[in-house]
Amino acid sequence: DAGVTQSPTHLIKTRGQHVTLRCSPISGHKSVSWYQQVLGQGPQFIFQYYEKEERGRGNFPDRFSARQFPNYSSELNVNALLLGDSALYLCASSLSWGSYEQYFGPGTRLTVT
Amino acid sequence: KNEVEQSPQNLTAQEGEFITINCSYSVGISALHWLQQHPGGGIVSLFMLSSGKKKHGRLIATINIQEKHSSLHITASHPRDSAVYICAVGGTSGSRLTFGEGTQLTVNP
Repeated sequence: DAGVTQSPTHLIKTRGQHVTLRCSPISGHKSVSWYQQVLGQGPQFIFQYYEKEERGRGNFPDRFSARQFPNYSSELNVNALLLGDSALYLCASSLSWGSYEQYFGPGTRLTVT
Repeated sequence: KNEVEQSPQNLTAQEGEFITINCSYSVGISALHWLQQHPGGGIVSLFMLSSGKKKHGRLIATINIQEKHSSLHITASHPRDSAVYICAVGGTSGSRLTFGEGTQLTVNP
């Protein structure tokens, strides 16, 4: 059974551009969480989606948005990219909103120049 | 002060040594996770604990809920154990995790 998949694996963008990152959860998992990991730091929570609704949001500006589709896959969108948005973006899937167990994808490494 | 503190930040050991990484947290939790991250970024879940102790091969994780402290032990360390080890806690707000800064472990042959 496939694990959590993310695409693309690497991405280079220019300041001011927009980016869309994608995540497919483990089959049967209905919740997806997004995390940002800046180099040398631990991941920071961005969003959690469950049953296509936002169920949690971290301390990130409105340039960051996300959505979840009927098949439970998810997209993370970042507008007006800044140099500081360069990071590894991790997606984690879990069975439901309050599930303790989370399974992480390989991440998307975004570089903003 | 971070809600999750790990120590040490960096750790270098010789192959075969016993290793301990510590994690302290300041919030109420539903579960604590120990995660491993190799260069390139992928995160693997090693343990999820809500009480007591768990063992998997050469890895042992313990948690003391009253003291809000957890430890990850590696026995008979090996160079392939070299990675970043991250402690993360889950509270009562959904599946959201709060992470420590990570401990960079290097095991030399």
